[in-house]
Amino acid sequence: GDSVTQMEGPVTLSEEACLTINCTYTATGYPSLFWYVQYPGEGLQLLLKATKADDKGSNKGFEATYRKETTSFHLEKGSVQVSDSAVYFCALSDPNNFNKFYFGSGTKLNVKP
Amino acid sequence: DSGVTQTPKHLITATGQRVTLRCSPRSGDLSVYWYQQSLDQGLQFLIQYYNGEERAKGNILERFSAQQFPDLHSELNLSSLELGDSALYFCASTQSGGRGTDTQYFGPGTRLTVL
Repeated sequence: GDSVTQMEGPVTLSEEACLTINCTYTATGYPSLFWYVQYPGEGLQLLLKATKADDKGSNKGFEATYRKETTSFHLEKGSVQVSDSAVYFCALSDPNNFNKFYFGSGTKLNVKP
Repeated sequence: DSGVTQTPKHLITATGQRVTLRCSPRSGDLSVYWYQQSLDQGLQFLIQYYNGEERAKGNILERFSAQQFPDLHSELNLSSLELGDSALYFCASTQSGGRGTDTQYFGPGTRLTVL
């Protein structure tokens, strides 16, 4: 069945460091891929998405490229800020199953000043 | 603000009790999804409704049930509560129920504590 695997955290970085959070998926067909962010005490917010192979989603300096050949959707940012500290979830939606979403386990990012 | 509202924000109850969580989707959204987020199990999909009908089921216990009303708000009913049911419960909505490109918009969640 469909599934999402993302790197375990927590990830601790200094401000202005580069970030990569790995995400790989298993799916039949052609899923859409998403990154959501959850700030402390809040619900999940969409960060970016990509709906087909080779698409690049980007937002707030974050980006991720839909790589079908490696079934990956890694999240990257060139220079993190303290305000980026949050939990990041990779997710896929299965168009063959009424848009059912599958979430990764989440990766907590701590950015130190 | 995602436009999805959930009430109550916090709920504290005892084992064996029954509670109802409420969700109002974004204006115009027809699908509602329920998730459970606990510390040790991440985000678990429970159930999806589309325009009043159950569309997909995930890891939802038999003690739990949900429905979506004609005005599209949804309620998640949790009964015979156990300590392990303590978690954050999120509701999300999408415009349609079948397009894989749809984005899910999440509410702020209801924190349930079972004592």
